Amino acid sequence: GESVGLHLPTLSVQEGDNSIINCAYSNSASDYFIWYKQESGKGPQFIIDIRSNMDKRQGQRVTVLLNKTVKHLSLQIAATQPGDSAVYFCAETGGGGADGLTFGKGTHLIIQP
Amino acid sequence: DAGITQSPRHKVTETGTPVTLRCHQTENHRYMYWYRQDPGHGLRLIHYSYGVKDTDKGEVSDGYSVSRSKTEDFLLTLESATSSQTSVYFCAISEQEQRAAFFGQGTRLTVV
Repeated sequence: GESVGLHLPTLSVQEGDNSIINCAYSNSASDYFIWYKQESGKGPQFIIDIRSNMDKRQGQRVTVLLNKTVKHLSLQIAATQPGDSAVYFCAETGGGGADGLTFGKGTHLIIQP
Repeated sequence: DAGITQSPRHKVTETGTPVTLRCHQTENHRYMYWYRQDPGHGLRLIHYSYGVKDTDKGEVSDGYSVSRSKTEDFLLTLESATSSQTSVYFCAISEQEQRAAFFGQGTRLTVV
């Protein structure tokens, strides 16, 4: 079936470096994508979103890139900080309807001092 | 947490007992969702609501029912809890279709 997944379950980066978290999706009808951050014991927190008519969107220290040709999404975090340690999920929806988001399984970002 | 309150935050119950989880929002958002989160499966949609008394099934709806009698409350009921329903349950709300959903803090349910 259609699914959204992540390439790496764990990513370890040095504090101050840039982090890149990747996501592949398979539903060609997907037209809206979101990145969430989840800290231990908390609910997912919205980071940034992008629609399929865009290929890049920037927020504060974060950038999302969308490559529809290869169905790939990435989240770039600049100057990674200890507070960025969390699990990051990509999610997608599309094809109309209100039937929620399809989530990837998550990447655990670990910040090394 | 975007004005979302889940209750209870933790619950331990016995197999075969009914359980109801409550999600309360103060944002007046139309759409509400229940997800479960399990290791290796990520977040999966159980049921969702697109208005008062309007609900529909998600990916993993078997064994669950929902009700939404007013905009601010969305209830998830396990009619007869099973050990496979041990999970962390998240409620989410969304203002419109095709928009980001905002999540509550979750309810950790253990069925023994």
